[in-house]
Amino acid sequence: NAGVTQTPKFRVLKTGQSMTLLCAQDMNHEYMYWYRQDPGMGLRLIHYSVGEGTTAKGEVPDGYNVSRLKKQNFLLGLESAAPSQTSVYFCASTSSGLATYEQYFGPGTRLTVT
Amino acid sequence: DAKTTQPPSMDCAEGRAANLPCNHSTISGNEYVYWYRQIHSQGPQYIIHGLKNNETNEMASLIITEDRKSSTLILPHATLRDTAVYYCIVRVAWGGADGLTFGKGTHLIIQP
Repeated sequence: NAGVTQTPKFRVLKTGQSMTLLCAQDMNHEYMYWYRQDPGMGLRLIHYSVGEGTTAKGEVPDGYNVSRLKKQNFLLGLESAAPSQTSVYFCASTSSGLATYEQYFGPGTRLTVT
Repeated sequence: DAKTTQPPSMDCAEGRAANLPCNHSTISGNEYVYWYRQIHSQGPQYIIHGLKNNETNEMASLIITEDRKSSTLILPHATLRDTAVYYCIVRVAWGGADGLTFGKGTHLIIQP
């Protein structure tokens, strides 16, 4: 049981390049989330999904797109990377049936845009 | 979700109890208090949550005041591995799938 995994762990992009971050969970969770964390700050929600085929915007969605084609995977895309998107990206998941609302987080992807 | 206020940093000696305060004076009746921690460069980790009563698990204890306007997370015997940023978060437990709102948290440093 790997929990929540993220690919890649590190990436350096040039301004204007595109990339996709992959999040996978093996806990059969319905809800999945993408957050970003800038230095010295708490996490901010980018997008989330309540189930396969559904996505919704969070606090800071601009410049990102997401897709949830399979229940276990949640993809975060950057179509045209900007230096302001340099950050650490965390994926999380939780079960809709959990009263505790405990979110399980992945190890993070460190992205640098030059 | 109600706003929370935490001290930016705290020190604690190894082996002693670490008491981390959180103010949430605008908490609503259906909102829970959650605590997460983030060890350097890792993803946040759930610690404990509570509504009204004090709670204890294998990691920590949560003390919520009777008026629910503040709470304290207690790590009973802090170790060096407990050095982390601790986040106090208030939100409803049921309904809605929107994410957690993280503030800047408290950076707890355990001193040897």
